[in-house]
Order: sequence, then structure tokens, then C-alpha cells
Amino acid sequence: DTGVSQDPRHKITKRGQNVTFRCDPISEHNRLYWYRQTLGQGPEFLTYFQNEAQLEKSRLLSDRFSAERPKGSFSTLEIQRTEQGDSAMYLCASSARAITGELFFGEGSRLTVL
Amino acid sequence: AQKVTQAQTEISVVEKEDVTLDCVYETRDTTYYLFWYKQPPSGELVFLIRRNSFDEQNEISGRYSWNFQKSTSSFNFTITASQVVDSAVYFCALSKNDYKLSFGAGTTVTVRA
Repeated sequence: DTGVSQDPRHKITKRGQNVTFRCDPISEHNRLYWYRQTLGQGPEFLTYFQNEAQLEKSRLLSDRFSAERPKGSFSTLEIQRTEQGDSAMYLCASSARAITGELFFGEGSRLTVL
Repeated sequence: AQKVTQAQTEISVVEKEDVTLDCVYETRDTTYYLFWYKQPPSGELVFLIRRNSFDEQNEISGRYSWNFQKSTSSFNFTITASQVVDSAVYFCALSKNDYKLSFGAGTTVTVRA
């Protein structure tokens, strides 16, 4: 499978714990994105990387959230001191040069905070 | 600020019926992009189309067609002769660049056999 892969697919944690999600983009894609989707809503933009540089962060990304993309390959999204409001699906997407504007999304990592 | 409104929350049709999904957007940008994505039960968003604000030409791709009307700020999507495999959540999205998309709340389409 050469699509965008995310791990873990599901994570259940207790409030206050830290969690980390990993995204492996399509190998030739230099752009990587994180979105968050809550039940019944469309995805919301969180952050964007071009190679290893984080070029934009949403105000949704509070101080408890940090994303990295070392060496411009895979990316991690860490949430510290999780809160119940963090429960959502975290979606990763990647793209090459913006020719068609197509973002290739992974299947997401579902977080449940108890 | 950018906003996308998909007024239809759910649509249920019988196979072979046509279904039209409405999308109305708000933006102050003169250059912007409009998208449609499909999210099947597996959860992975699938790109369907991108149009830029200068190209109001309607587009047809197989059973899918899109009607972009700048005058009414709408970008509607029609599935002709629907099939059970078309059952999914469909999202309309707006962007002034090519990465920061503002999605609508989505329309759930159920096609019954």
C-alpha cells in the first residue's frame, strides 16, 4: 500500500495523559498536513509542513499540541495533558506540487479521551 | 473569513435516482479554490475535484457533474444515476491557497438498492 498511513488507528487514553500520532506520507510528497475532524463536522486545518519546515499553524493548535516532521519524511503530532475536548479523528494528508490541488488523506487516528 | 455551508445534512435516494448536493460559500478573496471530497465509511477522504475562482466552466466526470456559479457563490455537485457505492459523506471545501481548506459540515448520502 503506497498511500498515507497513520498510526495508531485508535487510541483511548485518560485525561491528562500524553498521546502521539504518527503519519507516513506518500514517499514523493513534500507537503504534509494535519487536520482534525469531530463527529458530524468537516475536517479543520491544524498545521502544514513543506519538507521539514512547519509553515503554518492554526489557532486550534494550542500549546499542548506540537507537530514535527524531522527530515521531511514522517510526521508526529503530540498532544500533552489530553482533555476530553481533544477527542476527535486526527487526519493526515500529503501532496506533491499543487497541480491539481489534491490532498491525499490517510484513514485517520481516532482519539478518545476518557 | 471563509465559510462553507452545506445545508443538506442527509439525503436518501433509491438507486438510479439523481442526487444534487448544494454548497454555498463565503469569501472576500478574489482568487480562491473550491473542492469536493468524498468520505466513505472507511473514513479516508477522497478528492473529487478542484476548481479555481476564474474558471466557471461546469465539469462532468462520468456520473459526476459540478455546477459553479460565482454570482450565487455556489458550487453544487450532482451524481447521476446513483449507485449504492456512492453512499458516503460528501464535503465541499474552500481555500485561498492549496493546503488550508475550510470544509463544510458535509452531506450524508445514502443510496438504497
